[in-house]
Amino acid sequence: LAKTTQPPSMEAYEGQEVNVSCSHTNIATSEYIYWYRQVPHQGPQFIIQGYKDYVVNEVASLFISADRKLSTLSLPWVSLRDAAVYYCIVTDMGQGGRALIFGTGTTVSVSP
Amino acid sequence: ETAVFQTPNYHVTQVGNEVSFNCKQTLGHDTMYWYKQDSKKLLKIMFSYNNKQLIVNETVPRRFSPQSSDKAHLNLRIKSVEPEDSAVYLCASSTGGARQDTQYFGPGTRLLVL
Repeated sequence: LAKTTQPPSMEAYEGQEVNVSCSHTNIATSEYIYWYRQVPHQGPQFIIQGYKDYVVNEVASLFISADRKLSTLSLPWVSLRDAAVYYCIVTDMGQGGRALIFGTGTTVSVSP
Repeated sequence: ETAVFQTPNYHVTQVGNEVSFNCKQTLGHDTMYWYKQDSKKLLKIMFSYNNKQLIVNETVPRRFSPQSSDKAHLNLRIKSVEPEDSAVYLCASSTGGARQDTQYFGPGTRLLVL
């Protein structure tokens, strides 16, 4: 079972900032938070990862609450290409890799 | 840029046939995975494999088996397909050794069992 809870869907207009929340109340101290997204007819694509505080890259930013039970993925200036299913995943990779446990994700729709 | 390659893109077959899907990664990763995405878009792990260990999801039927010739290839064979095997099969790879490990996915193979 997925260890995270996300809203099922969100809507936005092009140019808006989109914030997708994720609740992971039972996150372990050894676990990291990963975000992936999947557009139709493609495999999931890594967006960003973090452990605590605030992480930013060229695609998105990730805010993690002080108790690490909640994280928010922020997508600035969304375009039509950002329409996808966004998955929040909590896992401890460990040695030898670890399979990702996907939930149902958040479907983000973007309108012109 | 696609670094995980899957063939075929689509495959249509009949119940009882054997099928085999190919996956190759050019990232130099040590660990590869197969996931199944069903009609409701739920993604579930089937296998994870590196040169030391195969981990099988206990819910995967025995007619499914991974086949690896080297660490860059992990194929998936289904011995006798059934209608519920219709799905998208996604291959992924990762370095497998680091705490902050990112998985890279292929585009998927879509299987339709008639």
